[in-house]
Amino acid sequence: DAGVIQSPRHEVTEMGQEVTLRCKPISGHDYLFWYRQTMMRGLELLIYFNNNVPIDDSGMPEDRFSAKMPNASFSTLKIQPSEPRDSAVYFCASSLVTGGSNIQYFGAGTRLSVL
Amino acid sequence: AQSVTQLGSHVSVSEGALVLLRCNYSSSVPPYLFWYVQYPNQGLQLLLKYTTGATLVKGINGFEAEFKKSETSFHLTKPSAHMSDAAEYFCAVSPYSSASKIIFGSGTRLSIRP
Repeated sequence: DAGVIQSPRHEVTEMGQEVTLRCKPISGHDYLFWYRQTMMRGLELLIYFNNNVPIDDSGMPEDRFSAKMPNASFSTLKIQPSEPRDSAVYFCASSLVTGGSNIQYFGAGTRLSVL
Repeated sequence: AQSVTQLGSHVSVSEGALVLLRCNYSSSVPPYLFWYVQYPNQGLQLLLKYTTGATLVKGINGFEAEFKKSETSFHLTKPSAHMSDAAEYFCAVSPYSSASKIIFGSGTRLSIRP
C-alpha cells in the first residue's frame, strides 16, 4: 500500500480565500484523523471519522473549518475563509481499530501558509 | 481520562551516548502506549507500541521502552545515539477498551552532538 496520501504538500494562499486539503487513507482502515501542528500549540486533533461518519469534531477551532468523508477512500478539510493564524502543517492519519492494531499511520502533511 | 506528559521539550546528547526520553501517562484503564518519531518535514511514524504482555518493548532503529505501571512511565531509550536519530519524539496513550483516539504528548526534540 502507498500509505496515507495528502495533497497538496504545500499551499500558499491569501487571507480570505478558501482552502481545501485532501487525504486518501490506507485502504481498509476504519478510522481517519485530521491533525494540525504548530510550534505554539503542538499537535492538535481536529476531527476524526469512523467508517466515514464524524465521531468527534470538538477540536475544530471555528465554524470556518469543516471536514467531510464522502467515502472510505477520501476526506477533505476545508477552511473558508482562511486567516493567517491558520498557517500550520495539517496531517491526516488513518488506522484500523476494529480487529486491528490501532496504529495510526500519518501522511506527509500539507504545509499551509496564509498571507 | 487519559493524558501524557513528556519531560523536557528538548534533549541534546553526544553521538554514541545513551538516549533517554521521559514519558509519564495518566490512564483510568490499562492503556495502550506508543512512541512516534517525526523527522523534519515528514509525518509521524510509529517507533514502538505496548499493549499487554512483556513490559520491555523493542522498536525500530534500536529504540526500546519499558512499561512501568507502578511509576506510570513509558520512557524511551537507545544505548548509543546516532546522528540520524535527530528528530521529534512523541509519546502517546489510548484507552485499552476503546482504542480509537490517541492522546499525544507535547513532543521532545532530540538533538545529537557530533
